[in-house]
Amino acid sequence: DVKVTQSSRYLVKRTGEKVFLECVQDMDHENMFWYRQDPGLGLRLIYFSYDVKMKEKGDIPEGYSVSREKKERFSLILESASTNQTSMYLCASGYGTAENTEAFFGQGTRLTVV
Amino acid sequence: ILNVEQSPQSLHVQEGDSTNFTCSFPSSNFYALHWYRWETAKSPEALFVMTLNGDEKKKGRISATLNTKEGYSYLYIKGSQPEDSATYLCAFITNAGKSTFGDGTTLTVKP
Repeated sequence: DVKVTQSSRYLVKRTGEKVFLECVQDMDHENMFWYRQDPGLGLRLIYFSYDVKMKEKGDIPEGYSVSREKKERFSLILESASTNQTSMYLCASGYGTAENTEAFFGQGTRLTVV
Repeated sequence: ILNVEQSPQSLHVQEGDSTNFTCSFPSSNFYALHWYRWETAKSPEALFVMTLNGDEKKKGRISATLNTKEGYSYLYIKGSQPEDSATYLCAFITNAGKSTFGDGTTLTVKP
């Protein structure tokens, strides 16, 4: 079974803190993604990566950065957390070919910024 | 930001009813269309990956069709069961690898 593991299930951070959300996959997938999910807004893509050290902005990259130093690990960084970044964060990974592009999701991290 | 729309937003049906919902997406830069099922307290799980115009996929009582020229996909559930209750998401994948999800259709099946 594909496993995508996010480092924390629940996280509470203070405004202005630097926050790291870690994601690790064990299937040698090329692609990795970070989404946030807010009520009424669906899943919105923050950043994605199709290779080590490569990153592409999604639809809402402002206030976030990412790091992919190893193929299996994709980190989302909130440089200075703000209350409007309180959300559910989902990491996903997948292969890069058309027939195998489906994403495998982690269990999610519910981040609260106070 | 690409426009991916799903309708209806929510649906309540009786056990045994058949139902369907729609995903609309841009007809340009198409690479793939995914359907996911997202049950409460779980992670989204892929149902179908569709890549070719005219594709039809089936998994048990659930099937999906794809029309890339007009930019829509239908998901059908035959004989709905309470365990089908979930949010069904579609995702449009561009040839640059970017994914855009619709807001989902939340299905509730009453016993």
